[in-house]
Amino acid sequence: DQQVKQNSPSLSVQEGRISILNCDYTNSMFDYFLWYKKYPAEGPTFLISISSIKDKNEDGRFTVFLNKSAKHLSLHIVPSQPGDSAVYFCAASAQGAGDMRFGAGTRLTVKP
Amino acid sequence: KAGVTQTPRYLIKTRGQQVTLSCSPISGHRSVSWYQQTPGQGLQFLFEYFSETQRNKGNFPGRFSGRQFSNSRSEMNVSTLELGDSALYLCASSPGGLGNQPQHFGDGTRLSIL
Repeated sequence: DQQVKQNSPSLSVQEGRISILNCDYTNSMFDYFLWYKKYPAEGPTFLISISSIKDKNEDGRFTVFLNKSAKHLSLHIVPSQPGDSAVYFCAASAQGAGDMRFGAGTRLTVKP
Repeated sequence: KAGVTQTPRYLIKTRGQQVTLSCSPISGHRSVSWYQQTPGQGLQFLFEYFSETQRNKGNFPGRFSGRQFSNSRSEMNVSTLELGDSALYLCASSPGGLGNQPQHFGDGTRLSIL
């Protein structure tokens, strides 16, 4: 079953603008959420994470927002750069478990 | 600090054969997880090993198995290969102790079944 969903398979934004990637989850036991970035022929690279005790975490141009009541998280990239073009996966896990559940990914294209 | 290393990078097999994939985690990491990635399906969790014991298991048939050695290196085995097993197999490691920690991925083994 799809416990983590990314409903937008692709997103295209202009360089310098904001990119917003969305993710929904169904399992209320999830308490740790992550975003990964993946380039072709490489493994996913960890980007940013957030614990369920927070609703926002920021790291440079990347901010993750968590809305527990809506079971929704989003990744904001500001400003977007062409090098950000990649597939972005959201992931979630429960209580430190090693079995992360991933969304299907959103392909972000940042146009110069 | 060396990252997660997976070997081989590419593999071609035929139906009915078996295959073994290898993963060396980041030094000091004791948890190793395996995932299967197919187009449009994202990453599907296979299993996780911690201190040589399978700690979590995903929803895959028994043809998929794994093990972990005392140095935390892990192998994944797939027997009686099927065409649908063609995928990118990713290994990820983390310290594995208490608390939430990100997993760090290798570049994967791309398995093609003819």
